[in-house]
Amino acid sequence: DGGITQSPKYLFRKEGQNVTLSCEQNLNHDAMYWYRQDPGQGLRLIYYSQIVNDFQKGDIAEGYSVSREKKESFPLTVTSAQKNPTAFYLCASREDRAYNEQFFGPGTRLTVL
Amino acid sequence: QKEVEQDPGPLSVPEGAIVSLNCTYSNSAFQYFMWYRQYSRKGPELLMYTYSSGNKEDGRFTAQVDKSSKYISLFIRDSQPSDSATYLCAMIRTGNTPLVFGKGTRLSVIA
Repeated sequence: DGGITQSPKYLFRKEGQNVTLSCEQNLNHDAMYWYRQDPGQGLRLIYYSQIVNDFQKGDIAEGYSVSREKKESFPLTVTSAQKNPTAFYLCASREDRAYNEQFFGPGTRLTVL
Repeated sequence: QKEVEQDPGPLSVPEGAIVSLNCTYSNSAFQYFMWYRQYSRKGPELLMYTYSSGNKEDGRFTAQVDKSSKYISLFIRDSQPSDSATYLCAMIRTGNTPLVFGKGTRLSVIA
């Protein structure tokens, strides 16, 4: 099956710890995206990557970091510098030419204890 | 002013009602307009997309774009309890730029 996988589905971390969220896609898409979703806030773009070894900050990149070493993988690290990390995190991908459908993963719910 | 405005609701309707969901936007450069449906604790799924102005119909769903008014709508006919979800509008300028999302409208269809 083609699609996007995110792991884990639920993640708990203690304050002050870094944590990495996994995102893998087998759709052969060039572009990948990370969003954060809070109640009543919609989807806010954290980082995106249009090609391997390159990525750009989105609207709320502070306290987050990413890497894009392989086309199919785009992990997101939530660092201790992120003040309010508890949220639902969504990864997405799409072909980066003309208009193409953007597909989303199932999401990771991060809770900071 | 935010680029995309969407009333977050919640919106509650009886089964069988016609539902109207709307977004306004400020950037006239947007060319593609999308509606995503998101069930609770799931990733969003594309429902419909429209290029430029006009209407598009798919079963019980109709998407409308009025670029002169910078206004897009999604109509759901004969709404069902299974339509209960959050509906997000999204739009894009060109193919290689990120989508811009509205905040989403939470819809409940009551049996």
